[in-house]
Amino acid sequence: AQRVTQPEKLLSVFKGAPVELKCNYSYSGSPELFWYVQYSRQRLQLLLRHISRESIKGFTADLNKGETSFHLKKPFAQEEDSAMYYCALRIRGGSEKLVFGKGTKLTVNP
Amino acid sequence: NAGVTQTPKFQVLKTGQSMTLQCAQDMNHEYMSWYRQDPGMGLRLIHYSVGAGITDQGEVPNGYNVSRSTTEDFPLRLLSAAPSQTSVYFCASSYSIFNEQFFGPGTRLTVL
Repeated sequence: AQRVTQPEKLLSVFKGAPVELKCNYSYSGSPELFWYVQYSRQRLQLLLRHISRESIKGFTADLNKGETSFHLKKPFAQEEDSAMYYCALRIRGGSEKLVFGKGTKLTVNP
Repeated sequence: NAGVTQTPKFQVLKTGQSMTLQCAQDMNHEYMSWYRQDPGMGLRLIHYSVGAGITDQGEVPNGYNVSRSTTEDFPLRLLSAAPSQTSVYFCASSYSIFNEQFFGPGTRLTVL
């Protein structure tokens, strides 16, 4: 079954500390993964996608096919990083759609 | 560009009532979708459309209908509202499933 798992509902870190938001997936095909973010009172928006292999707002995510993971990392968290983060998997073939994880709420404390 | 717009922003319904949530986009996107967001459940796909005249079911389609008569509009219909449909509903669009999805501001629906 196609599935995205974000094991942490809530994650709290202090400003300047490293942060890692975990995402694991289950998919029989070649995975394409995304991180979306929803800041308070703002729309859900794309943060990054694994095929871009870029760093956005200091965040990076590496696809690890062996561990079926796509964890989001930032070496030094900032208060403005506080938001809801969703990992998403694109399903292809027949049904073209995105499957989202349940989300992790990140709080960066001063 | 207005992007993706949704109306209404808030709605309260009684059980059994029907209503339509509106979604429109002005970006000439082919792909449009509806999600519901519930605490602890994340975003779940209700229905999606890969172009005008084509719709398909997502993970949680029961109790909802959609149609796509134009590229711009993708309304979501609740035929007989139930308390289990209390949620925040998001519409999204993109050029295709391969591209970034742009989300609307959401509609907060309460069914009493």
